[in-house]
Amino acid sequence: AQSVTQLDSQVPVFEEAPVELRCNYSSSVSVYLFWYVQYPNQGLQLLLKYLSGSTLVKGINGFEAEFNKSQTSFHLRKPSVHISDTAEYFCAVTVRGGADGLTFGKGTHLIIQP
Amino acid sequence: GAGVSQSPSNKVTEKGKDVELRCDPISGHTALYWYRQRLGQGLEFLIYFQGNSAPDKSGLPSDRFSAERTGESVSTLTIQRTQQEDSAVYLCASTLVADNTEAFFGQGTRLTVV
Repeated sequence: AQSVTQLDSQVPVFEEAPVELRCNYSSSVSVYLFWYVQYPNQGLQLLLKYLSGSTLVKGINGFEAEFNKSQTSFHLRKPSVHISDTAEYFCAVTVRGGADGLTFGKGTHLIIQP
Repeated sequence: GAGVSQSPSNKVTEKGKDVELRCDPISGHTALYWYRQRLGQGLEFLIYFQGNSAPDKSGLPSDRFSAERTGESVSTLTIQRTQQEDSAVYLCASTLVADNTEAFFGQGTRLTVV
């Protein structure tokens, strides 16, 4: 079974500052990794994903994440945040090539302060 | 349709009543997933369909929960004799094939059991 830990339930940052949202996972087999964003009263939207290849993946809205196999981490970063980035961010994992659903972390609420 | 559609968007029901939640996946997507999101929690995987077959129902929280899917189209999640702990947002996602590499989520059904 897989598990995902998002170490911070809430991250406040000032507008235009950089941010890192942390995600660690546990799995005995190879996995795919994802970050989803959920804006208030909306469904989840895929930000980016790691399937294979380069460990640095770039997503929408200026976000990027780096897969670190040795540290079993997949932290999300953005060099300069905007008010519109205020949302809940979820890290998720699934078994490579598997069909079962995604295993999600509990989410990190990113709060952008003006 | 253009995206995953769920109905109703909100449902308030009395404890003990049955409820039926509906999901319309993206046309042509063969796999469909149901998740539950309790307040302040991440998403909990419930069940997935490959076509109209659900290979593993062990993620359903109790025998009060059931799901079915007609061909590669609409799915319904039924909760019988609802309890207050069933209150949550129920999210549906679909993928082109059952490999989870890109799941598209609906906006969810917010279920409140009073």
